[in-house]
Amino acid sequence: KQEVTQIPAALSVPEGENLVLNCSFTDSAIYNLQWFRQDPGKGLTSLLLIQSSQREQTSGRLNASLDKSSGRSTLYIAASQPGDSATYLCAVSTGANSKLTFGKGITLSVRP
Amino acid sequence: DVKVTQSSRYLVKRTGEKVFLECVQDMDHENMFWYRQDPGLGLRLIYFSYDVKMKEKGDIPEGYSVSREKKERFSLILESASTNQTSMYLCASSPQGQGAYEQYFGPGTRLTVT
Repeated sequence: KQEVTQIPAALSVPEGENLVLNCSFTDSAIYNLQWFRQDPGKGLTSLLLIQSSQREQTSGRLNASLDKSSGRSTLYIAASQPGDSATYLCAVSTGANSKLTFGKGITLSVRP
Repeated sequence: DVKVTQSSRYLVKRTGEKVFLECVQDMDHENMFWYRQDPGLGLRLIYFSYDVKMKEKGDIPEGYSVSREKKERFSLILESASTNQTSMYLCASSPQGQGAYEQYFGPGTRLTVT
């Protein structure tokens, strides 16, 4: 059974710092990996999707990488801002019909 | 832009009531999903549907049922609400394929059962 782990559960950094959020998964036979952002009390917003054949994806200050063989992904946030404060979740798809297995998320706080 | 809407942002129901949570998507997606999210447990899949009138159980289907009579609408039903069903409920949709597509989420319904 696929398991997704995100450590640490919470992170606090000063504004302007470049940071890396980690995600690991136990079954490397994935179709894709998706990073989401969730603000308190809200739904999930998709940030980046990496297909299993890809190594990385970029969107603005965000860069996500995927190493399937080692079961790891990282989300890199450049020049962090207080508006980046949120919970970041990663999820992997290992079957048909796009079913996802989620990590528990990393709650990021960026201090002004 | 894909839009997934949920009928209520906040809902308060009493134990034993029948509760309907509605989800509508406007992008003609074949797949639709219901999750619940609880502190310390993360998101867990309750049910999903890959076509009209088709459904499959997720990881935690007990106490829930679903209905999909039209492609754009997926309903989650709590036949007899209980306090342990107090949670945040999230609906999502995606195109059909070999897991290669993004899931798009609605804003969530915070359900409190008293």
